[in-house]
Amino acid sequence: DSGVTQTPKHLITATGQRVTLRCSPRSGDLSVYWYQQSLDQGLQFLIQYYNGEERAKGNILERFSAQQFPDLHSELNLSSLELGDSALYFCASSPGTVHTGELFFGEGSRLTVL
Amino acid sequence: KNEVEQSPQNLTAQEGEFITINCSYSVGISALHWLQQHPGGGIVSLFMLSSGKKKHGRLIATINIQEKHSSLHITASHPRDSAVYICAVLEVGGGADGLTFGKGTHLIIQP
Repeated sequence: DSGVTQTPKHLITATGQRVTLRCSPRSGDLSVYWYQQSLDQGLQFLIQYYNGEERAKGNILERFSAQQFPDLHSELNLSSLELGDSALYFCASSPGTVHTGELFFGEGSRLTVL
Repeated sequence: KNEVEQSPQNLTAQEGEFITINCSYSVGISALHWLQQHPGGGIVSLFMLSSGKKKHGRLIATINIQEKHSSLHITASHPRDSAVYICAVLEVGGGADGLTFGKGTHLIIQP
């Protein structure tokens, strides 16, 4: 158990819909990172939040947004969903502003867009 | 942006064989991670390297900073080692784009 909790584990929805994925970091970790894993692209960094503020942005689409709340949990919002958004979405956490030491990933949220 | 290449993409071996998975990257890094992903999808961190060599049980990871290359070795391989092994790098300065990942090596160990 990594200590990082993601919900839901599985989600099936239709094109055009909006979903919210949730991540609770390990106790004491201030950074949350979101990653997307698709069959053709592999793992890609989407966005990082540190102590409530956006810190780094990767290949995140404009239809996607995220936020980190005062209790440090984070939500990734995916809107106007397309078939190509079907993927595994992982979050990870770390104590500081960069991934130092061991990486701790949640078990992922598998999104299927039909 | 760092380009991370892994080889081989797929590897099937017999139980007991010595396994080597390679990772090359194009830009200087501050750290390299080896990750393991089982068919269920969960990702587990195996090693973080910034120099030299690390060993944990039957797993050994090495990195050559000058050559921008790392290897993951599995000794006395076992069917439970069957998984996808992913290399990820963090660029010098922390990486404004977070980690950059290789596409993974699919390893199957047959009994």
